[in-house]
Amino acid sequence: DQQVKQNSPSLSVQEGRISILNCDYTNSMFDYFLWYKKYPAEGPTFLISISSIKDKNEDGRFTVFLNKSAKHLSLHIVPSQPGDSAVYFCAASAAGGTSYGKLTFGQGTILTVHP
Amino acid sequence: DTEVTQTPKHLVMGMTNKKSLKCEQHMGHRAMYWYKQKAKKPPELMFVYSYEKLSINESVPSRFSPECPNSSLLNLHLHALQPEDSALYLCASSPSGGRNTEAFFGQGTRLTVV
Repeated sequence: DQQVKQNSPSLSVQEGRISILNCDYTNSMFDYFLWYKKYPAEGPTFLISISSIKDKNEDGRFTVFLNKSAKHLSLHIVPSQPGDSAVYFCAASAAGGTSYGKLTFGQGTILTVHP
Repeated sequence: DTEVTQTPKHLVMGMTNKKSLKCEQHMGHRAMYWYKQKAKKPPELMFVYSYEKLSINESVPSRFSPECPNSSLLNLHLHALQPEDSALYLCASSPSGGRNTEAFFGQGTRLTVV
């Protein structure tokens, strides 16, 4: 049961353009969402997060949008740079209960930014 | 210090061996985690320690035994592993085991069971 889904295994973008990575979730208990970036042979690096009480959070070139009714979030990277090439994971956590503190990850999207 | 440090970076062990993975953070975080990541798959939670007590065990086989000696250290003791246990083992920490906090990950230990 994949509760967090990233349906695009890969995305290729030209340098300077916008990268849009998408994520869908099924568990209505999720109330906090995060994006991580991962290079090969390294651990995930936290990028940006959003609480379910918001619909947008921005940090420099990175903006995360949350559509709760559609159970969908997206990460926008503008402008994209070759150094952004990595695997991007969407993750979610639920408030309370036995899942307290647990992150559930999507399968990841490989972003390639071409010079 | 904003790092989570894991040792060793690589480990090859036989199925009859006993080994331990170590994780350390000095950010004052009170929650620490073990995740397992297989190739081309997302990280999957194994254990959560909150304030040095085990709070989540995701039905992990007993051949994996976590230990949290203090708030800065987290160990994963390995015994009688199987080849299918080969994976990247990631340690993470967060300010607390609660909600709305991001987890910071170490670089991982690449484990190969032969």
